Amino acid sequence: SQKIEQNSEALNIQEGKTATLTCNYTNYSPAYLQWYRQDPGRGPVFLLLIRENEKEKRKERLKVTFDTTLKQSLFHITASQPADSATYLCALEKGSGNTGKLIFGQGTTLQVKP
Amino acid sequence: NAGVMQNPRHLVRRRGQEARLRCSPMKGHSHVYWYRQLPEEGLKFMVYLQKENIIDESGMPKERFSAEFPKEGPSILRIQQVVRGDSAAYFCASSLRNSGRGTDTQYFGPGTRLTVL
Repeated sequence: SQKIEQNSEALNIQEGKTATLTCNYTNYSPAYLQWYRQDPGRGPVFLLLIRENEKEKRKERLKVTFDTTLKQSLFHITASQPADSATYLCALEKGSGNTGKLIFGQGTTLQVKP
Repeated sequence: NAGVMQNPRHLVRRRGQEARLRCSPMKGHSHVYWYRQLPEEGLKFMVYLQKENIIDESGMPKERFSAEFPKEGPSILRIQQVVRGDSAAYFCASSLRNSGRGTDTQYFGPGTRLTVL
């Protein structure tokens, strides 16, 4: 069956360190993968999209990698800050394009301690 | 440019009542998606609509739930005869266009938190 898995355990790191979050998927062949941030009581906020033909993408302190062989995406936050504390969601599009249906992982909660 | 707007932000209903959730997409966006987030669970796709059309409702329960996106006005998610299990956060997202191979980012609203007593 199709699955998207993120580490359900909260990730606790010290301010200034690099946070690395993992998203694994099975039985999908996504054209792209997206990462969102969600704060308590709020809607998800789009962060980055990486396509199947891209190995890596960066945006300020964020970096995403996409390995279609391993069926895995890694999400890195460098020089982490307490304000980065949130739940991070990865999402794939289900289907072979033009469906608009995003399938989300359950999210990993990041806690950055000052 | 205002973001996706949803109202109400919080909705309390008793079992058997109807719940109506509204979503106004971002200006210029004609694609709307509804997702449900149960406590301690991830976001689950419910329905994808374009103006006056339901494109994909494969994630929506067959009974009691319906959605529309009229030519004028917001998209409406309607839940009839609510039960306690309907208590959840309901999020709406919109995108500019769905051009194939998933190139369009979905922008989410703040959600409506439905509580069924």
